[in-house]
Amino acid sequence: DGGITQSPKYLFRKEGQNVTLSCEQNLNHDAMYWYRQDPGQGLRLIYYSQIVNDFQKGDIAEGYSVSREKKESFPLTVTSAQKNPTAFYLCASSMGNRIVQPQHFGDGTRLSIL
Amino acid sequence: GIQVEQSPPDLILQEGANSTLRCNFSDSVNNLQWFHQNPWGQLINLFYIPSGTKQNGRLSATTVATERYSLLYISSSQTTDSGVYFCAVQGGPGTASKLTFGTGTRLQVTL
Repeated sequence: DGGITQSPKYLFRKEGQNVTLSCEQNLNHDAMYWYRQDPGQGLRLIYYSQIVNDFQKGDIAEGYSVSREKKESFPLTVTSAQKNPTAFYLCASSMGNRIVQPQHFGDGTRLSIL
Repeated sequence: GIQVEQSPPDLILQEGANSTLRCNFSDSVNNLQWFHQNPWGQLINLFYIPSGTKQNGRLSATTVATERYSLLYISSSQTTDSGVYFCAVQGGPGTASKLTFGTGTRLQVTL
């Protein structure tokens, strides 16, 4: 089945530790995105990538890093500099990188601090 | 940046009732999507509707781009419709990759 796969579903982080969230898509989409959702809130954009080897900061990029070495993969690293990382993280992708196309979402990763 | 407001924030319906959810946005948009987030957190695409009207079963949506609002209609609601409904928009050139979300309408459908 075509879709977006996020792993793991649940992740726990110790203080001072970096963790990486995986996002893989087999939709042949050019653009990929990472969003953060806090309880009772909408989603906020962390980073996005419109093409391989290129990415841009979103609204809340501080304390996060990404890479886009392959078209189908867009991992997100939550670094120790992110002081409040507990949240629900959602990855999305869309077909176009020049024209607006609808975004499709994975099932998310819940990150908690131990 | 573009602002998105949704109303009402909370809605409780009896099964079988109809409802209308509203999304107002502050600037012209190239993309507007409605999502349903189920209790497990999955975000499900309902409509891609930057303008016009679409229907999918018991759900329909209308976007009036010139007046900067969109409406989501739910007819004959079922308990499985419960969850949070989000409206999200993308603005004009330079903001094409950013979806801005509203804070959602939390719907509870009771028996």
